Amino acid sequence: NAGVTQTPKFQVLKTGQSMTLQCAQDMNHEYMSWYRQDPGMGLRLIHYSVGAGITDQGEVPNGYNVSRSTTEDFPLRLLSAAPSQTSVYFCASSLLGASLNVEQYFGPGTRLTVT
Amino acid sequence: AQSVSQHNHHVILSEAASLELGCNYSYGGTVNLFWYVQYPGQHLQLLLKYFSGDPLVKGIKGFEAEFIKSKFSFNLRKPSVQWSDTAEYFCAVLMDTGRRALTFGSGTRLQVQP
Repeated sequence: NAGVTQTPKFQVLKTGQSMTLQCAQDMNHEYMSWYRQDPGMGLRLIHYSVGAGITDQGEVPNGYNVSRSTTEDFPLRLLSAAPSQTSVYFCASSLLGASLNVEQYFGPGTRLTVT
Repeated sequence: AQSVSQHNHHVILSEAASLELGCNYSYGGTVNLFWYVQYPGQHLQLLLKYFSGDPLVKGIKGFEAEFIKSKFSFNLRKPSVQWSDTAEYFCAVLMDTGRRALTFGSGTRLQVQP
């Protein structure tokens, strides 16, 4: 049971390049989400998904796309990278029950630098 | 808009000192509350969580937190810190808004001096 995995761990992009950050979980969690972490700002929600084929925007969705074709995978795409997207990206997953009594599990993060 | 505030941005303590980190949230509905810790260069780890019941919850590594509903607060405490507690601490709140996402505070960087 690997939990939540993210690849790559580190990435450097030039402005305008595109890339996909990968996230996978093996816990059969319905709910998956992407956050970015910036100094002094905590973690902010980019996009989330409540199941395969269903995604929605979070607080800071601009410049990012997501899709959820399977329960396990939730990739985050940067279509045209900008220096403002330099950040650490965390993927998280959890069960999606009727109550809020669920714990979110976080991946190890991807540190992205855009030059 | 719902928000989570951590008023202490950077705290410096000596070993064996007591710790209290503040966390307040602005939301009138049902919440679940969490404290996460991030050691330098590592990912988030759950310290403790509150879902319901006893408002004083105990977590790992000697940490505890108290939920005071009337004050919308969930402060983190530890009676005696160690150098190994040097890390960044995040308060997070799960609100019954339908989004099911955590709202995080901005974090508190704790530095424990030996």
